[in-house]
Amino acid sequence: GENVEQHPSTLSVQEGDSAVIKCTYSDSASNYFPWYKQELGKRPQLIIDIRSNVGEKKDQRIAVTLNKTAKHFSLHITETQPEDSAVYFCAASGGGNTPLVFGKGTRLSVIA
Amino acid sequence: KAGVTQTPRYLIKTRGQQVTLSCSPISGHRSVSWYQQTPGQGLQFLFEYFSETQRNKGNFPGRFSGRQFSNSRSEMNVSTLELGDSALYLCASSLSASVDTGELFFGEGSRLTVL
Repeated sequence: GENVEQHPSTLSVQEGDSAVIKCTYSDSASNYFPWYKQELGKRPQLIIDIRSNVGEKKDQRIAVTLNKTAKHFSLHITETQPEDSAVYFCAASGGGNTPLVFGKGTRLSVIA
Repeated sequence: KAGVTQTPRYLIKTRGQQVTLSCSPISGHRSVSWYQQTPGQGLQFLFEYFSETQRNKGNFPGRFSGRQFSNSRSEMNVSTLELGDSALYLCASSLSASVDTGELFFGEGSRLTVL
């Protein structure tokens, strides 16, 4: 089955700097890659996703890139703010009936 | 529209006991997935149901089971509890039958402590 590795496990950045979180996946058939954000004590929520027919997607200060050949995808957050502090999870799925498999998460701390 | 509701929110059990957790999805959502969240292990997939059928099962022992009812509500059961079963159990529902066409909406979770 699918296996998703996520790095780093913790990340601290100064407010205003950029943050990058990287994930690799094992199943070349995977074609859907969402990112979820979980603030302290709250439920995970989808922030952005990308499909295999797209190399990059942006939404304001966040962007996701996908390299299907290397089987890795990344989350980029620019101009970080304290409210970006949370645990971020990447995930991968082959679509259809296949389940969404998550990475172990990255705890991002934005220092004011 | 009400979100995903999980009950109970907190519970404490002792080793060897069993537990049943409940999940009510968003109205109209027919897909329900369960995940176990522990520090350092992230979100580990338990199982997924769609229209009362289990479509997928994660790599967990047979002590973990679940079901979905005709109203899409789902329950999961863990028998013969072990200390390592202590975790936050998250339920997520989706409007779509396919993972890549529907966002997962998570509940707040049921935090299980096994003593």
